[in-house]
Amino acid sequence: GIQVEQSPPDLILQEGANSTLRCNFSDSVNNLQWFHQNPWGQLINLFYIPSGTKQNGRLSATTVATERYSLLYISSSQTTDSGVYFCAALTSSAGGTSYGKLTFGQGTILTVHP
Amino acid sequence: DVKVTQSSRYLVKRTGEKVFLECVQDMDHENMFWYRQDPGLGLRLIYFSYDVKMKEKGDIPEGYSVSREKKERFSLILESASTNQTSMYLCASSLVGISYNEQFFGPGTRLTVL
Repeated sequence: GIQVEQSPPDLILQEGANSTLRCNFSDSVNNLQWFHQNPWGQLINLFYIPSGTKQNGRLSATTVATERYSLLYISSSQTTDSGVYFCAALTSSAGGTSYGKLTFGQGTILTVHP
Repeated sequence: DVKVTQSSRYLVKRTGEKVFLECVQDMDHENMFWYRQDPGLGLRLIYFSYDVKMKEKGDIPEGYSVSREKKERFSLILESASTNQTSMYLCASSLVGISYNEQFFGPGTRLTVL
């Protein structure tokens, strides 16, 4: 099956710093999502980004599907950005149907200090 | 906004008990999913459903069953709970199709089996 790898596994920043998180995937995907898991465990949708670039406030993401990677940029980081960031790739299940089976990376643990 | 709700945030059960985890979505999504999340193992797909009364095994279906009698509701059943099923359980839903199939997650249920 498809492999999704995230880097770095851990990242420690001072408030105000910028960062880039990377997601590599091993095969063609129908789609790619970025999530932030909050301290209570809920996965918050950040970006739905099969290709191209999107921006939402201090966060932006770029996916280059032909080269099988996606990047999440966090600018002017804040302590509330702390948590785990996941990327997840959508691939077709066997038989070519598109049920949206997500494969998750292992996550990047971000800690932002004041 | 898409809303996915789960019946309990925290649940404590005893070994051998039958456990029901309920998930409800309000966006008329065809697809619904159950994942479990464990430290060091990430998120893994247990079961998913692409229509009422339809289901497909995910990566780790052993020890679980599911039920989908109505489009908006997807239940995960632990027929005889065991301690190795202590975990965080996350439900998700999405539209079916290649062009747009963003998944949205519920708040999660932390299950402890004693």
